[in-house]
Amino acid sequence: QVQLQESGPGLVKPSETLSLTCTVSGGSISSYYWSWIRQPPGKGLEWIGYIYYSGSTNYNPSLKSRVTISVDTSKNQFSLKLSSVTAADTAVYYCARAPVSVAGTPRGWFDPWGQGTLVTVSS
Amino acid sequence: QSALTQPASVSGSPGQSITISCTGTSSDVGSYNLVSWYQQHPGKAPKLMIYEGSKRPSGVSNRFSGSKSGNTASLTISGLQAEDEADYYCCSYAGSSTPGVVFGGGTKLTVL
Repeated sequence: QVQLQESGPGLVKPSETLSLTCTVSGGSISSYYWSWIRQPPGKGLEWIGYIYYSGSTNYNPSLKSRVTISVDTSKNQFSLKLSSVTAADTAVYYCARAPVSVAGTPRGWFDPWGQGTLVTVSS
Repeated sequence: QSALTQPASVSGSPGQSITISCTGTSSDVGSYNLVSWYQQHPGKAPKLMIYEGSKRPSGVSNRFSGSKSGNTASLTISGLQAEDEADYYCCSYAGSSTPGVVFGGGTKLTVL
């Protein structure tokens, strides 16, 4: 079955850019939406954004000015960049797959998820 | 402040049933039959339990059921078991314009 694995630095300095990659195995990245979701320690889930395999994106307006999500279909990977990070961006970052409706829009639910990776913002 | 409102905690004894509510607006829960529910045990990734309001993925116990009325969705767990103790999050599609997806703040379920 499809599995997702996040990778990237676990420590990022304030004001720098957080970069993570999600590798999709056991299936193609095509014909789905792919999402990043984060969870600060002890807090709830926050949706960061989507990317369709074709490259179209949709971001959480609270993060939109700092977020870029990209896809590399040749590597079966998609990536997250979050700029100008602060301590408030410290969180477990998850990647997840979202199915597509017949209209081409995301179905708004996520399965499967990666195991998550903790990113700490600290000098 | 989360976009969807859930109770912070619920509890029940083994064998009992509990219901977790998830209140949104006419722009998310009320407009789409695309509410999902996730179970999260400590240190683990969320697991999809209900999608599109009331559908169960393969492998999820039929003790878990979902419903919706107006702007409020609900997750019911019947025949509570110790392993059901976890955090539960609701989620709703909110349209093709931003924000695309909204989550609830989460509910801690304690099995007494």
